[in-house]
Amino acid sequence: QVQLVESGGGVVQPGGSLRLSCVASGFNFYNFGMHWVRQAPGKGLEWVAFLQHDANDKAYAGSVKGRFTISRDNSDSTLFLEMNSLRGDDTAVYFCAKEQKGNNDGSGSHFAWDSWGQGALVSVSS
Amino acid sequence: QSALTQPASVSGSPGESITISCSGTSSDIGAFNYVSWYQQHPGKAPQLIIFDVSNRPSGISNRFSGSKSGTTASLTISGLQPEDESDYYCTSFVHNPPRRVFGGGTKLTVL
Repeated sequence: QVQLVESGGGVVQPGGSLRLSCVASGFNFYNFGMHWVRQAPGKGLEWVAFLQHDANDKAYAGSVKGRFTISRDNSDSTLFLEMNSLRGDDTAVYFCAKEQKGNNDGSGSHFAWDSWGQGALVSVSS
Repeated sequence: QSALTQPASVSGSPGESITISCSGTSSDIGAFNYVSWYQQHPGKAPQLIIFDVSNRPSGISNRFSGSKSGTTASLTISGLQPEDESDYYCTSFVHNPPRRVFGGGTKLTVL
């Protein structure tokens, strides 16, 4: 079955950096667009970033653009989120999420996420 | 402030039907049929329950249904069950620049 496992979360000081990883299994990772979504403690969901299946297209939320970088290694079925210049309002659980429809699939949607990881907690505090 | 507007809370009794609204603009919900809905229980990852406005993934109960009128999408849950008590989020695609936006979430209480 599809599994997404995030790692790399932790406590970091304001201005610091952190790199999250999301290891995928149970599907052809190289065929699917992937996203990061975060949730601050007690708050709602916030979309963070998108990376196309072949890494040729990417997009970021305005709140992280220029500070965060999304990337992937299709040979290792791993998605990354490099986070720099971290701020207190970046404190959140970060989920990786898989698009429902793959590159050559006929069903589902590129605009929905049908599998999510368990999340990685990032805490930015001095 | 979230890009899409949802009621903070709704409630209903077992067996009843409830509807959660998700209000957007002509740049998101009004422009595309790319609204999806997620259920999230406390401490858990979200689960997809509706995609592309009104489609249910396999395994999702037909008690869940979605619709859209103009710039407002809606999620209806019929025959409420205690396990439906959860947080619900809508999301939509926005084109320029391309991104996704969420509603603030709605807490459903089953009385």
